[in-house]
Amino acid sequence: TQLLEQSPQFLSIQEGENLTVYCNSSSVFSSLQWYRQEPGEGPVLLVTVVTGGEVKKLKRLTFQFGDARKDSSLHITAAQPGDTGLYLCAGDPPTSGTYKYIFGTGTRLKVLA
Amino acid sequence: NAGVMQNPRHLVRRRGQEARLRCSPVKGHSHVYWYRQLPEEGLKFMVYLQKENIIDESGMPKERFSAEFPKEGPSILRIQQVVRGDSAAYFCATNANTGELFFGEGSRLTVL
Repeated sequence: TQLLEQSPQFLSIQEGENLTVYCNSSSVFSSLQWYRQEPGEGPVLLVTVVTGGEVKKLKRLTFQFGDARKDSSLHITAAQPGDTGLYLCAGDPPTSGTYKYIFGTGTRLKVLA
Repeated sequence: NAGVMQNPRHLVRRRGQEARLRCSPVKGHSHVYWYRQLPEEGLKFMVYLQKENIIDESGMPKERFSAEFPKEGPSILRIQQVVRGDSAAYFCATNANTGELFFGEGSRLTVL
């Protein structure tokens, strides 16, 4: 069974601080996605990374896919209260062929003003 | 959430009753995925359907749960004889056979 472990599970920081969230697995994925979910809503896609070692930036968010395509990280610079939410990584197993994404355990971020 | 409509948003059932959750995909999307989310947890894959076909139901319990995506109308996730452990948020996601999933806002089932 392929698992995606996220760390930390919970994170509470002050506005303006930087943070990194990790998504780790012992399995290889064809691609990996990051989502943000706010209370009472569905997850919203932030980014998809496909190539080992790939780095993508989305304003203050930087996403990296590990060289071996088994892990990923999300770095937020100068966090703002609007960044508060549940961050989920999701991997597409190479044999699935169906985009049957496996979701990580989630990191719940709270940014205090 | 890019047009995926789920209803009801909230559903309360007593043990032993049936729950029906509906998902209308984004126009033009023919792939539907159902996920379950327990409080403070990530999403667990349940079933993947294309129009009129179940492609992968490996994450769905064999008993009491069923899903369909008819030629006309929404996809339906049906839970018979609900138990308290079925209480969760059920999310539907759709895509057009690309890697991007569009999620609905979820249906929150509470079993009393």
